Amino acid sequence: NAGVTQTPKFRVLKTGQSMTLLCAQDMNHEYMYWYRQDPGMGLRLIHYSVGEGTTAKGEVPDGYNVSRLKKQNFLLGLESAAPSQTSVYFCASGFARKLFFGSGTQLSVL
Amino acid sequence: GQQLNQSPQSMFIQEGEDVSMNCTSSSIFNTWLWYKQEPGEGPVLLIALYKAGELTSNGRLTAQFGITRKDSFLNISASIPSDVGIYFCAGPNFGNEKLTFGTGTRLTIIP
Repeated sequence: NAGVTQTPKFRVLKTGQSMTLLCAQDMNHEYMYWYRQDPGMGLRLIHYSVGEGTTAKGEVPDGYNVSRLKKQNFLLGLESAAPSQTSVYFCASGFARKLFFGSGTQLSVL
Repeated sequence: GQQLNQSPQSMFIQEGEDVSMNCTSSSIFNTWLWYKQEPGEGPVLLIALYKAGELTSNGRLTAQFGITRKDSFLNISASIPSDVGIYFCAGPNFGNEKLTFGTGTRLTIIP
C-alpha cells in the first residue's frame, strides 16, 4: 500500500553538484509529475510525463531534467545545483487529473 | 502562464466555526480540485469537481464549481483541530494534463 514513494527525504548539496531524485508509484498510473514548493508560492510544476518514455516541460523546467524509462518511475535530475533550487520537491502520479503525492524531498543547496 | 489566486491567504478561527475560502482563475477551467496539505506531507485530494455549478461534499467539506468556470469555493462546517493545514485549489486548462495550483489558504484553529 505504498502509493507514491520519494527518495531521498532530505539532501544537502553544494553549488555545482549534481543529484537525482527518485519517484516510484505502484498504482499503475500513466501520468507522473514533479513539483517544487517554496514558501508563499504554492506548488509549481517542473516537468511531467503522460506515459512511459515521454516527458514534457512544466512551468519552471530550467535547471532540471527528467526521465521516465519505466512506467512506475519518474526521475528528476539536477545537473549543476544552484541555491535557487533550494526547495521541497514533490512527486505525484495520477489519472483523470486526480493527483496522488509523495511525502516530499527537502533539498538545500549551499 | 495561468494564475490561481486563493483567498484568504490565512485564517485564524475557533474550533466549531465554519470556514469559507475561494479560488479564482484568469482563464476557464473544466476541472477544479481541492487539496489539503499537513506539515511534512504532500497534498491530499479532498474533492474533485467536473461541471460548472456542481456542488460536491466530502463529510464536513463542501466545494462548488463556479458557473463562470473561473472560480471555485470550499466550505468547512463545524471546524475541528484536525482541519488545520494548507488548502490548495488546482485545475488544468482544456485538453491539458498540467495542473496549476493556487498559492494556498493556511487554516489555523485557535484553542
